[in-house]
Order: sequence, then C-alpha cells, then structure tokens
Amino acid sequence: ETGVTQSPTHLIKTRGQQVTLRCSSQSGHNTVSWYQQALGQGPQFIFQYYREEENGRGNFPPRFSGLQFPNYSSELNVNALELDDSALYLCASSLNGRAKGNIQYFGAGTRLSVL
Amino acid sequence: TQLLEQSPQFLSIQEGENLTVYCNSSSVFSSLQWYRQEPGEGPVLLVTVVTGGEVKKLKRLTFQFGDARKDSSLHITAAQPGDTGLYLCAGGNYGQNFVFGPGTRLSVLP
Repeated sequence: ETGVTQSPTHLIKTRGQQVTLRCSSQSGHNTVSWYQQALGQGPQFIFQYYREEENGRGNFPPRFSGLQFPNYSSELNVNALELDDSALYLCASSLNGRAKGNIQYFGAGTRLSVL
Repeated sequence: TQLLEQSPQFLSIQEGENLTVYCNSSSVFSSLQWYRQEPGEGPVLLVTVVTGGEVKKLKRLTFQFGDARKDSSLHITAAQPGDTGLYLCAGGNYGQNFVFGPGTRLSVLP
C-alpha cells in the first residue's frame, strides 16, 4: 500500500466524451504527477502539480488538463476523448516537486477504455 | 528527447534460474530508477542509483549503473515466481521529470 488512491478503477467512455479521473496523494505529499501507460508500454509523463500549480508538462495536447486542490488531491480531465486515449492512467505523489532524489509513490491506476 | 530502451522485451524462465535485464540510453542521466509493476497495480520503486559504476543489492536483486550513466542492468539470482512482473527503468535529471522505458515483462515459472 502506497497511500495513493485513484478513482474510479475502471471507466468506459465513447469517443468525443469527457472524463475526470481523481487521485488522493499520500499524507504529507504536496506533489502529484500524472502518467499515461498504454498497453505494453512504460508510463508517459502527462504533467505534474506542485502546491496547486502546474510544474511541468509532457508532450500531451491541451485537451489533457488538471487541477490540484488545497489538500493536494488532484484531478485529470480529458476532453474530446479519442480511441488512442484508452490506457491505464497513473497518479504518483511525492514531496517537493522535481527535487533531486525525489521518490514517487504510485496509485493502482484508472483503466480507461474509449469505444 | 531522452529515450530509454529495455531488453529483452519479454523473458520467461524457470524458477531457480538467473537472469539479467538491461536499460540503455544515448543520453546521460543524473539518476536512474528501477520499478516493478504487477498486474492491476502501479509501479513500485525498487532502487535509485545516482553514481556512475554504482552497484546496489536488494536481496537477490543486483542493480548496476553504467560508468557513463547512460545504461543500467538488473540481475536476479535464483528467480522465484514472486519475481514475475513488468520491470521498468526510469531516468531522471535534476529539475526534470523521469522518463520511463517500455519495460521488460518477466515470467518465472514454478
């Protein structure tokens, strides 16, 4: 158990719809990173939130957006879903942004299927 | 763009055998992490290596960071079915986010 919880665990949407995924970070952690893991691949960095501000973004289009709340929990929103958005979405919590030696603790992920 | 390659992509061995998996890049990283991911779970950090040539041992697992900090290896001695999973390496530099490789899927048969 990493103390990082994600909801829902599974989700089925149709193309063009919008989805919101949620993540509760480990107690005491102020940083949340989101990753997309397609089948058979490693996780790809989407973005990171540190103290409620975006603190780095990967190569994902603007229809991927996020929020971090004062309690450091976070949401990932994806608009205009495409078939290729089908993947496992992972949330990782850590302390102090991208500081050297940072350790990320991953949740179990949300499996999103877009039909 | 920094890319990490992992080999082999798949590995199936019998319990008790030894194995080595590799993580390679053309880029230099200030640190490299190894994770294990089991089905239905997120990746779990096994080790972080930060010094070129560094060797770390975790029970039956031995991790090595290349001298030039561009590659790493994971060696498992006397593999057990509980070692089954997806082994991911991730390279990072200060102030940047970690980049993950595609993983090696290991299956240890009893």
